[in-house]
Amino acid sequence: KNEVEQSPQNLTAQEGEFITINCSYSVGISALHWLQQHPGGGIVSLFMLSSGKKKHGRLIATINIQEKHSSLHITASHPRDSAVYICAVSFPTPYNNNDMRFGAGTRLTVKP
Amino acid sequence: DAGITQSPRYKITETGRQVTLMCHQTWSHSYMFWYRQDLGHGLRLIYYSAAADITDKGEVPDGYVVSRSKTENFPLTLESATRSQTSVYFCASSRTRYEQYFGPGTRLTVT
Repeated sequence: KNEVEQSPQNLTAQEGEFITINCSYSVGISALHWLQQHPGGGIVSLFMLSSGKKKHGRLIATINIQEKHSSLHITASHPRDSAVYICAVSFPTPYNNNDMRFGAGTRLTVKP
Repeated sequence: DAGITQSPRYKITETGRQVTLMCHQTWSHSYMFWYRQDLGHGLRLIYYSAAADITDKGEVPDGYVVSRSKTENFPLTLESATRSQTSVYFCASSRTRYEQYFGPGTRLTVT
C-alpha cells in the first residue's frame, strides 16, 4: 500500500467550476506538499503545510493532521489550471531525517 | 541566469556505462534533492543533501552515487547504468528543506 493516496486519479471540469483534490497519508509527517506538473513536464511547488490552511490566489490547501488528510481546492477553475497535481509528504525515518513519499498524482483537465 | 538547471536535458547511454547528471543552483540553497519519475511509480526520492558534504539516502538509492563538494552543485552518478534506470530525473533545491524548486528534468534512456 502506498503511503500517500490521491483521489481522483483523473478529473475533468468545466471552466469556472470549483475543484477539490484529496490526499490521504498513513505515516506521521513533518510536512505535506502540493506540487503542480505542467504538460511540458516542469514541476512547481504550490504549498507546504504542516497544519491548518494556506491560500495563494485561487488555490487553497488544507490539512487535518488527526485525520491524516489534505485537500487542494481550486476556485473558478481555468483551462490553464490543467496539469497533474501531486501530493507528497516529508517524514523522518530511523535512517534519515527527511524521506519523502509522493502520491501518484491527479490529472486535471479544465475545458473552456 | 539565476535558478536551477540540469544537464544534459536528454541522454541516451548503453547498459554498463557510467553516467553523470548535473544539477546547479544559483540561490545558495542548503538543501538539494534528486528524484526519478516513472510511469506507475510517480516521483521517488533518490538522495538528498542538507549542505555541502552532507548527503543522505532516499527511497531508491541503489545504483546511484551523489556528491556535494560545493553548495551550488549536486551531481548524480549512475556507476553502471541499467535499463531499469531509464527515467526522467528531477533535481530540486530548497532553502528551508520544505519548499522546493525543481529543475527542468533530464530524460535518460539506457539501451
